[in-house]
Amino acid sequence: GIQVEQSPPDLILQEGANSTLRCNFSDSVNNLQWFHQNPCGQLINLFYIPSGTKQNGRLSATTVATERYSLLYISSSQTTDSGVYFCAGSGSNDYKLSFGAGTTVTVRA
Amino acid sequence: EAQVTQNPRYLITVTGKKLTVTCSQNMNHEYMSWYRQDPGLGLRQIYYSMNVEVTDKGDVPEGYKVSRKEKRNFPLILESPSPNQTSLYFCASSLRAPSYEQYFGPGTRLTVT
Repeated sequence: GIQVEQSPPDLILQEGANSTLRCNFSDSVNNLQWFHQNPCGQLINLFYIPSGTKQNGRLSATTVATERYSLLYISSSQTTDSGVYFCAGSGSNDYKLSFGAGTTVTVRA
Repeated sequence: EAQVTQNPRYLITVTGKKLTVTCSQNMNHEYMSWYRQDPGLGLRQIYYSMNVEVTDKGDVPEGYKVSRKEKRNFPLILESPSPNQTSLYFCASSLRAPSYEQYFGPGTRLTVT
């Protein structure tokens, strides 16, 4: 599978701050997705975003497939945004899904 | 309620004792997969299944087996567990292939002593 690199590995935010998480891929990527793992361990799909930009409330994501990266924006962060954010994707003609190591976000009140 | 269920949620076992972790989904999804999560490594795919009787290896298949005899079930089998298989395991499903939203189960924490 493709290699997925996420940055930064850790992020500490004050409530209300904005932030950007980045995901780089080693090769052309399909099926790019972002996930949030809450402190209880539950994994939730945030975006399926193979290209372009999507928004869902205070979260938005942009994927530039030709340059092999994706960005996740968190605006006006809240303590409930804490957790680990993962991006994942698959290579061309590949049905395996490869994940990055994640970005651990801590939002302080 | 649409969901992916896994059992057991927690399991402590000894080296070499065969075990099965069950996974079931009620959404009529074709694609199912198993992941393990280890600190600092993110999630790594163990096996996936495109449909009934169609399974293939992920990135870390060694020491694991799967089967897909029914669309809704995708059990993970450890024939001879070893301590390096101590991990948090997730089952996931999606409508077709990985190109749709993945739904994850609650996870199974396995400890092999």
